[in-house]
Amino acid sequence: SQQGEEDPQALSIQEGENATMNCSYKTSINNLQWYRQNSGRGLVHLILIRSNEREKHSGRLRVTLDTSKKSSSLLITASRAADTASYFCATDAGSARQLTFGSGTQLTVLP
Amino acid sequence: DAGITQSPRHKVTETGTPVTLRCHQTENHRYMYWYRQDPGHGLRLIHYSYGVKDTDKGEVSDGYSVSRSKTEDFLLTLESATSSQTSVYFCAISDRQASYEQYFGPGTRLTVT
Repeated sequence: SQQGEEDPQALSIQEGENATMNCSYKTSINNLQWYRQNSGRGLVHLILIRSNEREKHSGRLRVTLDTSKKSSSLLITASRAADTASYFCATDAGSARQLTFGSGTQLTVLP
Repeated sequence: DAGITQSPRHKVTETGTPVTLRCHQTENHRYMYWYRQDPGHGLRLIHYSYGVKDTDKGEVSDGYSVSRSKTEDFLLTLESATSSQTSVYFCAISDRQASYEQYFGPGTRLTVT
């Protein structure tokens, strides 16, 4: 079963707008990660937020984590057509040797 | 892609035949993982390795076996391929435990007819 579930499943926005994706998970975690996957390619790590952190920034990315609600959000500001991709959250499954991925959000940024 | 290659990149095979997929890394990372990706399921872990000859099962290990005789190579074998194993397979590596980022290969698209 999947630990993380992204919402929405698909998101379509105009270039320059902000995109927000959400991830919910079921069990306690050590950290939560976000990955991007361009069509036909492997996943690329974007950002990691630890369970004792509430917010983290990296360039145009902002990630929040609410462990009381078991949820995280990924905000991409000033989106570009090149941000078109699928975005996945991933959590460690407790053993610290495995990551469990959600089913992803497909983001389309229209020029 | 961080020094990870997968071979073959595409394969079509018949039901009942054995298939071996190879993951090769040049990063000397300790941890290696095999995932499968199917529409609506995201990535699911098949097997992983935490060192040479040290492997363990993931969420969807039935019908798959793995071997790691060298740090750089992690093999995934489908002993008798079935149509349900049609998928895209990704290898990933990490130099620390899964609490840290993983680096993914380009994937292998396997079709079982």
